[in-house]
Amino acid sequence: EDQVTQSPEALRLQEGESSSLNCSYTVSGLRGLFWYRQDPGKGPEFLFTLYSAGEEKEKERLKATLTKKESFLHITAPKPEDSATYLCAVQAGWEYGNKLVFGAGTILRVKS
Amino acid sequence: KAGVTQTPRYLIKTRGQQVTLSCSPISGHRSVSWYQQTPGQGLQFLFEYFSETQRNKGNFPGRFSGRQFSNSRSEMNVSTLELGDSALYLCASSKGLAGSETQYFGPGTRLLVL
Repeated sequence: EDQVTQSPEALRLQEGESSSLNCSYTVSGLRGLFWYRQDPGKGPEFLFTLYSAGEEKEKERLKATLTKKESFLHITAPKPEDSATYLCAVQAGWEYGNKLVFGAGTILRVKS
Repeated sequence: KAGVTQTPRYLIKTRGQQVTLSCSPISGHRSVSWYQQTPGQGLQFLFEYFSETQRNKGNFPGRFSGRQFSNSRSEMNVSTLELGDSALYLCASSKGLAGSETQYFGPGTRLLVL
């Protein structure tokens, strides 16, 4: 069974204090790893897709990396508006379709 | 380009009733998936539709069903509601069924079962 584990469960940072979120996965046949951001009461907002080990993608203060067993979401000099729940999800296996298996998420709070 | 839309945004029902939720995908997207989000279980896959056919199904009881129309719009139905069905129901759309496509989520329908 495909499993996705995110750590830490919650993270409190001061504005400008860089850190990383971890997503480890155990799947058979990774097809894609996705990062989403979710604000309270809203649907997940797409951030990145990573397909193969060694791949990196950046967007503003966020950078996502992928290895064969885990992915990291690096947040550089975060601002209060980066506060949200960050979700990691995988598409894996040989089933037809785009089914996502999600981790439980990391709740990030950035204080000014 | 308009995003995924879901109606209604909020619903209150009582146990035993049934409910129908609606989702309109991003224009040009032909695949629609549904997820249930609860504090205890997180985001869980319900089912995916493409070309009016269910292509994949999660581990939920038969009370949960869905359908897709020729314009790619989708509905999901939950019959004989239970208290545990209270959740945020999210719809996501993607262009096709390639298996590595990005899914874009709507704002969700929050269902409360009393």
